Amino acid sequence: EVVMTQSQATLSVSPGERVTLSCRASQSISTSLAWYQQKPGQTPRLLMYGASTRASGIPARFSGSGSGTEFTLTISSLQSEDFAFYYCQQYNNWPLTFGGGTKVEIK
Amino acid sequence: EVQLLQSGGGLAQPGGSLRLSCAASGFTFSSYAMSWVRQAPGKGLEWVSSITGGGTTTFYSDSVRGRFTVSRDNSRNTLYLQMDSLTAGDTAIYYCAKPLSLGNMFDPWGQGTLVTVSS
Repeated sequence: EVVMTQSQATLSVSPGERVTLSCRASQSISTSLAWYQQKPGQTPRLLMYGASTRASGIPARFSGSGSGTEFTLTISSLQSEDFAFYYCQQYNNWPLTFGGGTKVEIK
Repeated sequence: EVQLLQSGGGLAQPGGSLRLSCAASGFTFSSYAMSWVRQAPGKGLEWVSSITGGGTTTFYSDSVRGRFTVSRDNSRNTLYLQMDSLTAGDTAIYYCAKPLSLGNMFDPWGQGTLVTVSS
């Protein structure tokens, strides 16, 4: 099983700041990585796939990078609506696995 | 517009059973694998099961293999998850999800249905 590790449980960030979230895979997954955003009481929303391709309707302030085992999601200037939980997911191998999540909260 | 409308769920006793349904619309259902993902209260996301478009191949997480059965009725555009031998550890919101395209990244997700296992 590919273990996905999001080492930052919580990030406290001020609006307008740049924030970088990390995700590490226990073995190489090429670029088969997705990022999701989830707000309390809502369903997850796909942000990024293929490690760096924004999903439809996702603002350009979101960007993704990485390949192999190390991945990042960057929000260039945090907006109020971006405070949420973020999860990475690998889809290179079965079973599909998610990271434990990072909460981005207001500082 | 792609829509996934879930039904089923609720309260079950330990050792009991429940069946979840996910009615799909807005796309050619039989052309897509479909998946179930769950989220325990206050916890992260956990993939549960997937099924290929034709329904011939299924995949399960170790935590549910042998207890849960995923199936689909392509004539009804509906995905199912039969959950047997339920335990308290299965308490979660269950989401059905469609892959965006090739690859198992999920978009969109169903609205979720809460399954509570308690005596």
